[in-house]
Amino acid sequence: GNSVTQMEGPVTLSEEAFLTINCTYTATGYPSLFWYVQYPGEGLQLLLKATKADDKGSNKGFEATYRKETTSFHLEKGSVQVSDSAVYFCALSVSNAGGTSYGKLTFGQGTILTVHP
Amino acid sequence: DADVTQTPRNRITKTGKRIMLECSQTKGHDRMYWYRQDPGLGLQLIYYSFDVKDINKGEISDGYSVSRQAQAKFSLSLESAIPNQTALYFCATSASRDRDISAGELFFGEGSRLTVL
Repeated sequence: GNSVTQMEGPVTLSEEAFLTINCTYTATGYPSLFWYVQYPGEGLQLLLKATKADDKGSNKGFEATYRKETTSFHLEKGSVQVSDSAVYFCALSVSNAGGTSYGKLTFGQGTILTVHP
Repeated sequence: DADVTQTPRNRITKTGKRIMLECSQTKGHDRMYWYRQDPGLGLQLIYYSFDVKDINKGEISDGYSVSRQAQAKFSLSLESAIPNQTALYFCATSASRDRDISAGELFFGEGSRLTVL
């Protein structure tokens, strides 16, 4: 089956610190990988994605590289801001060899990030 | 206005009551989903629908039912609510075309917080 494991949280950092949130996965088929972010009181929104091995997704200063050899998709940001405080979810969806997407996401448990001034 | 709208946003009810959560979307997507979020568990898929005539069970469908009244509407029902169904519920949509560049990207509503006493 498919599963996603994220590092345990919560994570507390000072502004301008370096952020890493680890994510590893197991999947059958051909996974695409995603990071979603949930700000307080809101639904989840896509932060970045990568659809094949060695792809790097990036957005708002965040980056993650799809590493097939280590089945990982770690999220990084060089200098966090207070406004980055949120819950971050790693997720995957699986396609078959023909590229047909099954359309469902499997989520990790989420990592709470708090950034202090 | 939000692209994916959930009602109600908050609901408190008693054990044994029937509850319906409604979701409507203006994104024109064929695929709709209901997820449940519990602290420390991430999101778990309850039901999903790939078009009006297609309904599928997710990981945790027991105790829930759904209705796809139209392409834009997807409701979740708890026939007889119990306290361990207290959670935050999210509706989401996604595009349906295979190999679509956004395949796997979900668009979420703001959530419906349900408390069962």
